[in-house]
Amino acid sequence: AQRVTQPEKLLSVFKGAPVELKCNYSYSGSPELFWYVQYSRQRLQLLLRHISRESIKGFTADLNKGETSFHLKKPFAQEEDSAMYYCALHLTGNQFYFGTGTSLTVIP
Amino acid sequence: ETGVTQSPTHLIKTRGQQVTLRCSSQSGHNTVSWYQQALGQGPQFIFQYYREEENGRGNFPPRFSGLQFPNYSSELNVNALLLGDSALYLCASSWATGELFFGEGSRLTVL
Repeated sequence: AQRVTQPEKLLSVFKGAPVELKCNYSYSGSPELFWYVQYSRQRLQLLLRHISRESIKGFTADLNKGETSFHLKKPFAQEEDSAMYYCALHLTGNQFYFGTGTSLTVIP
Repeated sequence: ETGVTQSPTHLIKTRGQQVTLRCSSQSGHNTVSWYQQALGQGPQFIFQYYREEENGRGNFPPRFSGLQFPNYSSELNVNALLLGDSALYLCASSWATGELFFGEGSRLTVL
């Protein structure tokens, strides 16, 4: 069965420090991984997807099939990065399997 | 372009009652999916609709049902409400498969 694990419910870092939000997955097929973000008082929105291999707002994520991980990283955290982050595994169509989320707080 | 809108934003029901939640998809999107988000959890897939037909379902009982209309708007119906149905219900639209655009959700409390 598919599974997405985000081991940290809460993560605090200082402004300017590197940040890494962990995501591990379990899936028998070829995985498509996404990161969704929810800023305060805003709706859930896509941050990035592994297929596009892009950097959004300074964040990157590399799919590591050997370690079955898709960690989200940013070298220098900003206060506006404080939000709830969800790792999601795309199954089919609009069906995604979401992790339980990590709440990131960037301390000024 | 209008985003995904959901109604109502909040509602309170009692056990055994039925509820209907509504969603207007983003302009141009033909696929609508519904997710349930319990407190402290990530969104959990309920089902999706494409061209007015259900074409994918998560691990939810039949008392969770839905509709999609010709204008791609959608309804989620839940019968025989249980306390455990209390959650935030999210609607998301997309063009076929791809990025999900979420609404702000309908928060259901079952007493």
